[in-house]
Amino acid sequence: DTGVSQDPRHKITKRGQNVTFRCDPISEHNRLYWYRQTLGQGPEFLTYFQNEAQLEKSRLLSDRFSAERPKGSFSTLEIQRTEQGDSAMYLCASSLLAGNEQYFGPGTRLTVT
Amino acid sequence: GQSLEQPSEVTAVEGAIVQINCTYQTSGFYGLSWYQQHDGGAPTFLSYNALDGLEETGRFSSFLSRSDSYGYLLLQELQMKDSASYFCAAPDSNYQLIWGAGTKLIIKP
Repeated sequence: DTGVSQDPRHKITKRGQNVTFRCDPISEHNRLYWYRQTLGQGPEFLTYFQNEAQLEKSRLLSDRFSAERPKGSFSTLEIQRTEQGDSAMYLCASSLLAGNEQYFGPGTRLTVT
Repeated sequence: GQSLEQPSEVTAVEGAIVQINCTYQTSGFYGLSWYQQHDGGAPTFLSYNALDGLEETGRFSSFLSRSDSYGYLLLQELQMKDSASYFCAAPDSNYQLIWGAGTKLIIKP
């Protein structure tokens, strides 16, 4: 257990539905990252926050994806109008401001049917 | 842009030594990280090299050569529990980690 938690751990949804995932980082970590990972691939960067500010968002990220980190604590990732191609493991990680080590949560596995 | 290349799979024998290589192409370079991921689990940090040379942490060591755009992870005294995927990753100027596709390490008894 790294101290980063994610909820839910698994989500099955029908195509077209909206889903929201939550990530609680290590409390003293300023940076929070969202990644997506499919089988046999490395994690793909989606977006990251420094405190409550969203500083970077992948150019490949559809407008259907949105993330928030109110008050610089937990974060949510919402996917609207899900598609089968959204099926993946969604990973959250956190780090210190100048840290090179990212601590990952257990992930949320999304299956879109 | 940035890309990291590593072998898709490596096989070794329990108790042996194995080296997993990573070559990178980056527009700016800030260091090379290594992560371990067991099936169904999340990545866990192993090491980070900002400068050339060897960093040792127990049975695991990581090496970096900036002039060759190359690094490797060395695992000694292999144990069955080391069976996992190993990823090299490099941060860009915005601290965004760019990842290789991972090397699956298969250990045979």
